[in-house]
Amino acid sequence: QQQVKQSPQSLIVQKGGISIINCAYENTAFDYFPWYQQFPGKGPALLIAIRPDVSEKKEGRFTISFNKSAKQFSLHIMDSQPGDSATYFCAASKGSYIPTFGRGTSLIVHP
Amino acid sequence: DAGVIQSPRHEVTEMGQEVTLRCKPISGHNSLFWYRQTMMRGLELLIYFNNNVPIDDSGMPEDRFSAKMPNASFSTLKIQPSEPRDSAVYFCASSLTAGNSPLHFGNGTRLTVT
Repeated sequence: QQQVKQSPQSLIVQKGGISIINCAYENTAFDYFPWYQQFPGKGPALLIAIRPDVSEKKEGRFTISFNKSAKQFSLHIMDSQPGDSATYFCAASKGSYIPTFGRGTSLIVHP
Repeated sequence: DAGVIQSPRHEVTEMGQEVTLRCKPISGHNSLFWYRQTMMRGLELLIYFNNNVPIDDSGMPEDRFSAKMPNASFSTLKIQPSEPRDSAVYFCASSLTAGNSPLHFGNGTRLTVT
């Protein structure tokens, strides 16, 4: 499996602040980049995903920024809320390739 | 749809015992994955099935681990004999296709081997 590097490992943000999680990939053939959100005791669930034909995708307070030339993509959470406290995983895949996950980022949003 | 269903939610067993984890994927999904999650190693892919056929089992730690998918609606992950280092949360996930569609995860089985 190709590697996907995710940072930071943990993140603490004040309520109302912006949370930013970054991922970098190696395989230029990847064409599907999802982010998953995992709450304690639950499995990861798809949060938002992007394909490389666009540089940004926004859904509510969540935005993916994609930089194809740098082989990087990031998740921005605007106006972070305590309910956003969770572990976030980035992933990358293509066609029949098995999805490759980052190591995860534990986000804590303080009230 | 009820989503991916895993059972049991929790399993506590003694070292040396056989453990069987079960998974019912979402109907219509043809890809099924077993993952293991630990603090140290994050999410590790154990095995991937496509149309009930094991495609990649390179993540299976050793011969003590085995997985089957006898039909499109059921899969098992077996550990025999179990060891304390197998303690982890095991997730099953399914998707329409392996790469270009999202994975739908179950809520996992927390395994504790004493």
